[in-house]
Amino acid sequence: KQEVTQIPAALSVPEGENLVLNCSFTDSAIYNLQWFRQDPGKGLTSLLLIQSSQREQTSGRLNASLDKSSGRSTLYIAASQPGDSATYLCAVEGNNNDMRFGAGTRLTVKP
Amino acid sequence: NAGVMQNPRHLVRRRGQEARLRCSPMKGHSHVYWYRQLPEEGLKFMVYLQKENIIDESGMPKERFSAEFPKEGPSILRIQQVVRGDSAAYFCASSPGQDNEQFFGPGTRLTVL
Repeated sequence: KQEVTQIPAALSVPEGENLVLNCSFTDSAIYNLQWFRQDPGKGLTSLLLIQSSQREQTSGRLNASLDKSSGRSTLYIAASQPGDSATYLCAVEGNNNDMRFGAGTRLTVKP
Repeated sequence: NAGVMQNPRHLVRRRGQEARLRCSPMKGHSHVYWYRQLPEEGLKFMVYLQKENIIDESGMPKERFSAEFPKEGPSILRIQQVVRGDSAAYFCASSPGQDNEQFFGPGTRLTVL
């Protein structure tokens, strides 16, 4: 049974700081890994999708890496802004289409 | 470009009634996925559809559940004769292709009394 853990549970940083969010998973037999953003009262917004054969993906100030063998992924946010404040979720999709979410990291970027 | 829309956001049904959940994919997306999240559990895949076709329904319960994605209109997840165990959050996602990112809707929370 796949288990997904995200550390830290909450993070507060001043504006402009670079930061890293961590995600670990127990079963390395994955189809892909996604990072999502969740804003209060809204649905999930997909940020980055990394296929199992890939090592990283980049979009703007975001960079996500995947190390399947060690069961880890990181989301790097450069030059953080107050608008980045949200909960960030990591989700692992297995080869059976089950998608398992972590509990999320609640990020607050202070102006 | 509106995101994935689901309605209703909250649905309450009594045991034995029918529940109809709607999902309107993002513009240009012809692939729809339905997921269910039971309390205390992760999201579980239910069914994957393209326009007018069910591609993969391996996660669908064998009875009472059905899904469609007609040529026109939203995708519908239909649950007949609901039971308390059907109470969950049902999420829909859409993508332009099978290997593309999935964009999720806000979910429909079904409560069966």
